[in-house]
Amino acid sequence: GAGVSQSPSNKVTEKGKDVELRCDPISGHTALYWYRQSLGQGLEFLIYFQGNSAPDKSGLPSDRFSAERTGGSVSTLTIQRTQQEDSAVYLCASSLSGSIDEQYFGPGTRLTVT
Amino acid sequence: SQQGEEDPQALSIQEGENATMNCSYKTSINNLQWYRQNSGRGLVHLILIRSNEREKHSGRLRVTLDTSKKSSSLLITASRAADTASYFCATRNTGKLIFGQGTTLQVKP
Repeated sequence: GAGVSQSPSNKVTEKGKDVELRCDPISGHTALYWYRQSLGQGLEFLIYFQGNSAPDKSGLPSDRFSAERTGGSVSTLTIQRTQQEDSAVYLCASSLSGSIDEQYFGPGTRLTVT
Repeated sequence: SQQGEEDPQALSIQEGENATMNCSYKTSINNLQWYRQNSGRGLVHLILIRSNEREKHSGRLRVTLDTSKKSSSLLITASRAADTASYFCATRNTGKLIFGQGTTLQVKP
């Protein structure tokens, strides 16, 4: 079946603008995760949604970052007033449940803030 | 912050040789997973080992876990040029994955 999809695949934006990144998880997966990968920081956890529970936002680097998951499926990661240090690849993953299952990753969105 | 360290950071071997990568972590875990990443984009899950397991095999992959030392190793046997990629260990505690810095493996044909 279809894997995790993300859009756009690449995004170039000017400093100070807002961006929205989209993630479509695998159908039936109740858990959804956002990670960020940048050269200096490696792979960082951002936020985790599990079913109808309150999301784990402990990895969000600042209040400019927010995410929502509508209808338990599609998720949008929003970055407001983008900064150059936000440039990174943003990876979304989903898993069947939030327990111990492996995570399936999308291809990522490469964000470049100029 | 990163959970642990991986070593080596980079590894270059000839096709047919074995490749061993090590991972150390800091806190208690439910399981430890290894992922592969090609070309800096999506990660592919390779193998998962639970905290009560010591060794696991999958094809040419062998993973060990030593919870007393908080360390794991990934062995790729009879490497192929297609194994060239970055390899990450990740520990899972409360749902999220915490990744190591990764090992970049180059397999020369």
